[in-house]
Amino acid sequence: GAVVSQHPSRVICKSGTSVKIECRSLDFQATTMFWYRQFPKQSLMLMATSNEGSKATYEQGVEKDKFLINHASLTLSTLTVTSAHPEDSSFYICSARQGVGYTFGSGTRLTVV
Amino acid sequence: GESVGLHLPTLSVQEGDNSIINCAYSNSASDYFIWYKQESGKGPQFIIDIRSNMDKRQGQRVTVLLNKTVKHLSLQIAATQPGDSAVYFCAESWVNTPLVFGKGTRLSVIA
Repeated sequence: GAVVSQHPSRVICKSGTSVKIECRSLDFQATTMFWYRQFPKQSLMLMATSNEGSKATYEQGVEKDKFLINHASLTLSTLTVTSAHPEDSSFYICSARQGVGYTFGSGTRLTVV
Repeated sequence: GESVGLHLPTLSVQEGDNSIINCAYSNSASDYFIWYKQESGKGPQFIIDIRSNMDKRQGQRVTVLLNKTVKHLSLQIAATQPGDSAVYFCAESWVNTPLVFGKGTRLSVIA
């Protein structure tokens, strides 16, 4: 079945630094990927839709200059959290659409100290 | 019993009993619905899906019911096991838009 690999699974960084999270579709091509953020004991909130070869579409309230998304190939989308702050600490999850289905990565736990 | 916590409602069931998890979705135009299971620190795991032209779909030990009139979705788990303990989310989509997730319910199975 469709597999989405997300790395790293866990990262700790200092305030002010940037962190890159990768999302790869391993056995299929994904023209569209999605990035979600999840705070403890809450649901997944869509941050942005990543489109291969074009600019990402951000949801209302998500700063595009802070959360940089690059979808340079049909199997890789990256999310870079720039100038991270403690309030950016969260669980970030990517998803790729294959046909009518959606496959999720295993998530990245970001802790900003 | 069911209780509403600070963020996630919790459903506690005895092992072997059936579980029913409910979800109210937001968009009457939604045509595709999915139930996901999420364990701590992991991504969502697909359980079962249903399209809007159906009102019931069965899988192994799970059944999804869709009531479009009241925009309600439910997940029934038969003979609940300790391994079913997790947070369950419903998600909706329409015309291939991104999935929008519901608030989630924590299922706690009492051995």
